[in-house]
Amino acid sequence: GAGVSQSPSNKVTEKGKDVELRCDPISGHTALYWYRQRLGQGLEFLIYFQGNSAPDKSGLPSDRFSAERTGESVSTLTIQRTQQEDSAVYLCASSLEPTSQPQHFGDGTRLSIL
Amino acid sequence: QQQVKQSPQSLIVQKGGISIINCAYENTAFDYFPWYQQFPGKGPALLIAIRPDVSEKKEGRFTISFNKSAKQFSLHIMDSQPGDSATYFCAASNRWGKLQFGAGTQVVVTP
Repeated sequence: GAGVSQSPSNKVTEKGKDVELRCDPISGHTALYWYRQRLGQGLEFLIYFQGNSAPDKSGLPSDRFSAERTGESVSTLTIQRTQQEDSAVYLCASSLEPTSQPQHFGDGTRLSIL
Repeated sequence: QQQVKQSPQSLIVQKGGISIINCAYENTAFDYFPWYQQFPGKGPALLIAIRPDVSEKKEGRFTISFNKSAKQFSLHIMDSQPGDSATYFCAASNRWGKLQFGAGTQVVVTP
């Protein structure tokens, strides 16, 4: 596709449930990033992938969060046993390479935990 | 801790006026400084970016001023238009690409 695509655009779930968020980067982009944006705040880095490996997972807030990338394309961010503080917009970005800019962002998944 | 500090938190400017947003950073390893524009319900979109080997970059009505010694950079929006009403984020990264974002500035341009 022309841009970064994320799905679902909105997700409402109950506390304690697991959720999976999907990101389709721009074709050919080897670097993929996940960020979290809490209401009215800036973006927090979560994890980045170079190809299918994740050299930097330093932003994942707890072991309930995990991510994978397959085929140097689609990435999935999984949150297990969701908590209310996980409510946020989860944004994905991609770039040609980790050392290249700019990063192109998707429109995010708005996650609401009841 | 927040590695990029942004101010003001919000800004109201009249149509045709100048909007100025400031950012400061601590990490001298940062070598790329972008500004992103975000509309409600959308992801951030790159507006303009600068590297530390230049002190100013202009693209249309948008200008970045960069002061390496003070570790500060700013965005100037000239001739502000109602369509510029959005949230603006400064950011910084080192060569490995991870962006550190400021907290954002909500800009409202009144007709």
